[in-house]
Amino acid sequence: EIVLTQSPATLSLSPGERATLSCRASQSVSSYLAWYQKKPGQGPRLLIYEASNRATGIPARFSGSGSGTDFTLIINSLELEDFAVYYCLQRITWHPGTFGQGTKVEIK
Amino acid sequence: EVQLVESGGGLVQLGGSLRLSCVGSGFTFGAYWMSWARQPPGKGLEWVAKISKDGSETYYVDSVKGRFTISRDNANKSLYLQMNSLRDDDTAVFYCAREWWVEYNHGSGTYYPDYWGQGTLVTVSS
Repeated sequence: EIVLTQSPATLSLSPGERATLSCRASQSVSSYLAWYQKKPGQGPRLLIYEASNRATGIPARFSGSGSGTDFTLIINSLELEDFAVYYCLQRITWHPGTFGQGTKVEIK
Repeated sequence: EVQLVESGGGLVQLGGSLRLSCVGSGFTFGAYWMSWARQPPGKGLEWVAKISKDGSETYYVDSVKGRFTISRDNANKSLYLQMNSLRDDDTAVFYCAREWWVEYNHGSGTYYPDYWGQGTLVTVSS
């Protein structure tokens, strides 16, 4: 099973700052990687697919990069609504695919 | 607007059964694979099961094989998860999700869950 390791576990930042989140795979997932935002009481929201493509309606301050085993999600100029937990998901093996354990972006 | 609404969660005794439902709207339900995922309290997300467009193919995570059954009714735009022999570690918020096919170059591709419901809580009590 492919394991995704996200770091850091928690990121404490102020609104307007830049967030850099990492997702590392135990073996290559090519570019079959997505990023999700999760808020309490809501389902996950797709932000990025195919490692670097923004999903429909996602603001340009969200960007993804990487391939193989190392991936990055950057949120430029954090807004209050961006404070949430972020998960990466690999789908090179789409059954079942695996999630990372999450990075919480909290207000400093 | 695409919407997925789950229902059927609740408190159930150890070893008991529960049936979750998910109703889709705003899209052609029968044109998509669908999935169930879950999130135990304080933990991360885990895939549970997925089903093909016509229901002929199903896949399960090992921990639920033989206990859970995913099914669908395209005429009623509904997805189901029958859960039997429930265990403590099945306690979680369960989400349904639409699987979106993304084609890469040279005909390859994969599915990404692009829309999710708000979840329904299942609590297994001993």
